[in-house]
Amino acid sequence: EVQLVESGGGLVQPGGSLRLSCAASGFTFSQYWMHWVRQAPGKGLVWVSRINFEGSSAMYADSVKGRFTISRDNAKNMLYLQMNSLRAEDTAVYYCATLSGSDPDYWGQGTLVTVSS
Amino acid sequence: SYELTQPLSVSVALGQTARITCGGNNIGIKNVHWYHQKPGQAPVLVIYRDNNRPSGIPERFSGSNSGNTATLTISRAQVGDEADYYCQVWDTNIVVFGGGTKLTVL
Repeated sequence: EVQLVESGGGLVQPGGSLRLSCAASGFTFSQYWMHWVRQAPGKGLVWVSRINFEGSSAMYADSVKGRFTISRDNAKNMLYLQMNSLRAEDTAVYYCATLSGSDPDYWGQGTLVTVSS
Repeated sequence: SYELTQPLSVSVALGQTARITCGGNNIGIKNVHWYHQKPGQAPVLVIYRDNNRPSGIPERFSGSNSGNTATLTISRAQVGDEADYYCQVWDTNIVVFGGGTKLTVL
C-alpha cells in the first residue's frame, strides 16, 4: 500500500521554526520529484517547494524563499521541510505530494502548522 | 508570474454536465492537470496532461485544453462529485495551482 505520512506540524510562535517530515512507503521514492503544497484554512492549494530525484536541485515559491528549505533522504524514504522565521500567513495544512502529472500520483493526508502567539 | 483563473463556484443539476474552466495565458501549450478535493481529504488527481484519466476515475470525467482555456467536464453529474476542483500547470520550473472551483450538484 502506498503511503505518504506527514508529521511535525503544531503550534509555533511567529519567528519560530518547525521541521516537517514526510515518510514514504509502497513506491520507489527515489524515482519521484517531491513537493510540498499547503492550504490555509478555507483557502485553496498553494505550491510551496519541490526537490529533484537526488536532492541536488530545489525550487521555492517566492513567499517562502529564504525561509524554508526542502530536503530528502532517499535511503530512508523521507522528505523534509525546514521552516524558519515563521509568520502567521504560513498557517496551513502542509501536504507532501508527488505531483507526478501522470498515473499514479500520491498525496499525504497533511499536517497542520499554526503560527500564532 | 503565471496565473490560473477559475470560477469560484459552478452548479449543475443532478445528471447533467458540469464544465469547470481554467484560464491562463496561452495555457493551450501547457499540460494541465485537475484535482478534486473533498472536505477534510487530500486532493486526488482526476485528469492529467489535459485529457487523461488515472485508473479508478470514471469515464464521466474528461478534459480539454486550447488557447487560453482548459476545461474539466463532468458528465452525468452525481452528488458524489461535489468537491473543490483545482487546475494545475508547470511554469518555468515551478508549480501553479488555480484558485479552485466549488462544484455543487443540485
